[in-house]
Order: sequence, then structure tokens, then C-alpha cells
Amino acid sequence: EVQLVESGGGLVQPGRSLRLSCAASGFTFDDYAMHWVRQAPGKGLEWVSGISWNSGSIGYADSVKGRFTISRDNAKNSLYLQMNSLRAEDTALYYCAKDHDPGRGIVAPDYWGQGTLVTVSS
Amino acid sequence: SYELTQPPSVSVSPGQTARITCSGDALPKQYAYWYQQKPGQAPVLVIYKDSERPSGIPERFSGSSSGTTVTLTISGVQAEDEADYYCQSADSSGTSVVFGGGTKLTVL
Repeated sequence: EVQLVESGGGLVQPGRSLRLSCAASGFTFDDYAMHWVRQAPGKGLEWVSGISWNSGSIGYADSVKGRFTISRDNAKNSLYLQMNSLRAEDTALYYCAKDHDPGRGIVAPDYWGQGTLVTVSS
Repeated sequence: SYELTQPPSVSVSPGQTARITCSGDALPKQYAYWYQQKPGQAPVLVIYKDSERPSGIPERFSGSSSGTTVTLTISGVQAEDEADYYCQSADSSGTSVVFGGGTKLTVL
């Protein structure tokens, strides 16, 4: 059974940093691209970032480019999101998700974790 | 980056057919994926690659594609299908993903 467990969320002041983690199990982690997707309270889904199976391809939404950094450690079956210069508009539930097809680029999430809440406020 | 456009809401009575559309210029070249999200829950993939259904998803869920529009069809809608539905696609570079704005399906 695929399991994705996010951690690292919390309350942070504007301009500060936070690092999210996602622990994966139940599938061959290094076969799949991975995603971070966020959802602000009462709003829709927003793709944040994705990383291919071997970290060779990485992409970011324009809204976070230059501030957020995605990474993965295949030896630890873990995905990370380093978030710097946080803004109030980054407040959201952050989901970790695995891609649908193995060995491909950043295409489509299929299984999702339950999310970790990030609140940016003074 | 490109956009995917969905209607904000669709309403149907139980047993009827619901159709949710998603439009985007890249859709003729890129597959579309559909997700169902119920309140307080993570999204669930219900259709992949325009029209394929993951295991465990009821047969009443189907997808189709025509030009710049893809459609999620739910036949014989049940009360439990009331949820938000999102379409999603990727760009050709393999480094960017976009979601539609979401459609709230109300079962009257």
C-alpha cells in the first residue's frame, strides 16, 4: 500500500524559512517522479514543484520560483521542500504526491499524502 | 504557463449524468487527469490519460477528449459523488504541471 506522510509544517513569520519532508513507502520510490501540491484554505489545488526520479528534471510554479527548492533522497525514500522568504500567500495545506507513471518526467500525481499545514503569519 | 478552465459548479439529480468540462490549448497534445476531492480529504485520481480508470474507481466514471476540451462524465450520479473535481495536465517539457480551477459537483 502506497503511503506518503508529510511533516514539517507549522506557524512561521513572513520572511522566514521552513523545510517540509515526505516519507514514502509501499512503492519503489526511486522509480517515480514526485510532486508538492498545495491548497490554500477554501481554494483549489495549486501545483508547487516536481522532481523526476533521478533529480534530473525539476520544475516550479512561477509563484514559488527562486524561493522554494525541491529535493529528494532516494536512499531514504524521502522528498523535501525547502521554503524560503515565506509570504502570507504561501499559507496552505501542502501535499506530497507520487507521479503516475514510472521512469517518466513530471506529469501527474496519483497517490497523495494527507498534507501538512503551513501558516505564514506575524 | 498555460491554463485549464473548468466551470465553477455543476448540479445534477441522483441517477442523472453529470458532465464536467476542462478546456486548455495544450490538451490536444497532452493527456488530462481528473481528481475527486471530498471535504477534509486528499484528492483521489479518478481518470488518467484522458479516459483510463484506475482500479477501484467505479465504472460510472469515464473520460473523453475532443480537441482542446476534455470531459469527465459520471453516469448514474450518486449522493456520494458530491465533491470537487479538478482536471490536470502537464506541459511538453516534462517540468510543469497545471490544475484547473475545480468544479463543485452538487447532487440535488
